[in-house]
Amino acid sequence: QQQVKQSPQSLIVQKGGIPIINCAYENTAFDYFPWYQQFPGKGPALLIAIRPDVSEKKEGRFTISFNKSAKQFSLHIMDSQPGDSATYFCAASPPTSGTYKYIFGTGTRLKVLA
Amino acid sequence: NAGVMQNPRHLVRRRGQEARLRCSPMKGHSHVYWYRQLPEEGLKFMVYLQKENIIDESGMPKERFSAEFPKEGPSILRIQQVVRGDSAAYFCASSPRQTFYEQYFGPGTRLTVT
Repeated sequence: QQQVKQSPQSLIVQKGGIPIINCAYENTAFDYFPWYQQFPGKGPALLIAIRPDVSEKKEGRFTISFNKSAKQFSLHIMDSQPGDSATYFCAASPPTSGTYKYIFGTGTRLKVLA
Repeated sequence: NAGVMQNPRHLVRRRGQEARLRCSPMKGHSHVYWYRQLPEEGLKFMVYLQKENIIDESGMPKERFSAEFPKEGPSILRIQQVVRGDSAAYFCASSPRQTFYEQYFGPGTRLTVT
């Protein structure tokens, strides 16, 4: 019940394409869902995050879609660029009062071809 | 505003030695999280601290691992008598008090045990 399942494991798209990365969770009490971008040898960088009371959130070329009833959320990257090639992690925060320890998905390695 | 700082960036220890990893949170941040990332895997929560308090250490191995966040100075993750299985990237993240669900990660310390 504490897992976050992320798919696909890897993804290759052409420049300008819209890669979509999906995550699913089981615990309905999770209340915060961030996405992180990680380049090789670097720390994860917060991209965008959403709470369950919102179905969609956009920040620049990044969009989160959230389906509370299906317990799924996804990241869409509009007009993808080679510089977006990185590993993307979704996460969820379990319902422990005052403690936002994230549970991370296993990551999606994205490659955007020029 | 400087980001989260971690040092050293790379650490090599022989089996049985001690490893000390340091994390300085972003200015104004009073919450620190430590995560471990094994090769090709997602990040796993280890411990959550506030100044002078361990709030949640449910992800810490019971033996050899300890963490502190003193009133003055960086947070320290200490691994005693390291074994090869401790080889991983260790990341810390910090959060501001007001929006403590937003975690900002440092560049990580890559520990190699020989």
